[in-house]
Amino acid sequence: KAGVTQTPRYLIKTRGQQVTLSCSPISGHRSVSWYQQTPGQGLQFLFEYFSETQRNKGNFPGRFSGRQFSNSRSEMNVSTLELGDSALYLCASSFGTYRGRRGDEQFFGPGTRLTVL
Amino acid sequence: DAKTTQPNSMESNEEEPVHLPCNHSTISGTDYIHWYRQLPSQGPEYVIHGLTSNVNNRMASLAIAEDRKSSTLILHRATLRDAAVYYCILRDVVKAAGNKLTFGGGTRVLVKP
Repeated sequence: KAGVTQTPRYLIKTRGQQVTLSCSPISGHRSVSWYQQTPGQGLQFLFEYFSETQRNKGNFPGRFSGRQFSNSRSEMNVSTLELGDSALYLCASSFGTYRGRRGDEQFFGPGTRLTVL
Repeated sequence: DAKTTQPNSMESNEEEPVHLPCNHSTISGTDYIHWYRQLPSQGPEYVIHGLTSNVNNRMASLAIAEDRKSSTLILHRATLRDAAVYYCILRDVVKAAGNKLTFGGGTRVLVKP
């Protein structure tokens, strides 16, 4: 079964621009979560979407937004980019319903490396 | 959220066991203990999880203290491929809906040939 795919894998933008990142979850998964990873702050939760609704949100400014489509694919958008937004953005998918003893294992994609100049 | 404490780094020799400790003294009764690892240049991957009893799977074993205030992830025979950052995470899947994972600093494992 295909894993989580993220596009693009690498992106270079300049300050003030906006960017849209895409995540395609594993087939059958309805939950998509987004994380930001930086050397200084580590892995931080951005938000989670389940069945097209935002179910959880982390402590990030409103410049970070997301959405989920009916096929569970998700996009995240960052507007008015700042130098500090340079990071690896990871998405993770899961069934989202805590199936039995397995709990809700999350499957991460390879990430999109965003560089803001 | 209940917090976890892990050593920053550990070294092991190839084909020897690795014991990764995690302290979670403020764990609640409905917190599950999850472990993820992140190999170099990859996203994290699920390793194992447990609630009260020790757990085994093809990747590792999870030993949970009787009072649940600490746990240990055991890699039985470390290989070079096991070199990664290992994260111990508490998740209350009963009280909190959703999939938010709160990552700490993790333990960087170095495996020497």
